[in-house]
Amino acid sequence: EPEVTQTPSHQVTQMGQEVILRCVPISNHLYFYWYRQILGQKVEFLVSFYNNEISEKSEIFDDQFSVERPDGSNFTLKIRSTKLEDSAMYFCASSEGTVSQETQYFGPGTRLLVL
Amino acid sequence: AQKVTQAQTEISVVEKEDVTLDCVYETRDTTYYLFWYKQPPSGELVFLIRRNSFDEQNEISGRYSWNFQKSTSSFNFTITASQVVDSAVYFCALSEAGSNTGKLIFGQGTTLQVKP
Repeated sequence: EPEVTQTPSHQVTQMGQEVILRCVPISNHLYFYWYRQILGQKVEFLVSFYNNEISEKSEIFDDQFSVERPDGSNFTLKIRSTKLEDSAMYFCASSEGTVSQETQYFGPGTRLLVL
Repeated sequence: AQKVTQAQTEISVVEKEDVTLDCVYETRDTTYYLFWYKQPPSGELVFLIRRNSFDEQNEISGRYSWNFQKSTSSFNFTITASQVVDSAVYFCALSEAGSNTGKLIFGQGTTLQVKP
């Protein structure tokens, strides 16, 4: 069964460093998302991406964040200068479409710890 | 404004008991979609069900059942004869048709602990 994959599973970084979180969505999916979950809290929407551009972003997704689909398979989230409060689990998700609000399938997550 | 409320923070039951997880949502859209996801201790988010706002039929899948009531804006989830493997955090989520991007608004989650 096709799955969304994410690498790395864990990342530890120093405050101020740049991190890139990688995702491989399900191959025939067209819509891609990033969410984050601060420890013990709810899952929060960060950004959606379609047709090589951002279709919606939340207030959390400020200038420190960027997304890219560098090739036909990868979808990346870059945090330019990490802060302590960026420590969270980051989930990538993908769906076939949104016309009928297709189901989003989530990857296993990347746990980011900023020291 | 869209919002999902899961008032039960934690529930603890003994194996084989039935348990219902509550979900109440708010939306101004007439067309919307509701979801339940399971987050086991390993951390991934596992899709359980999707319902659209025009389909109020209750659904049963094995030991899982869902009760969708538009009149009370609720989409409750019942596990019958709970098992230890059901222990997880369960999230209810909402997606509005007015949001062309399909973004999900999650509730705070309910932690279910099933004791042997």
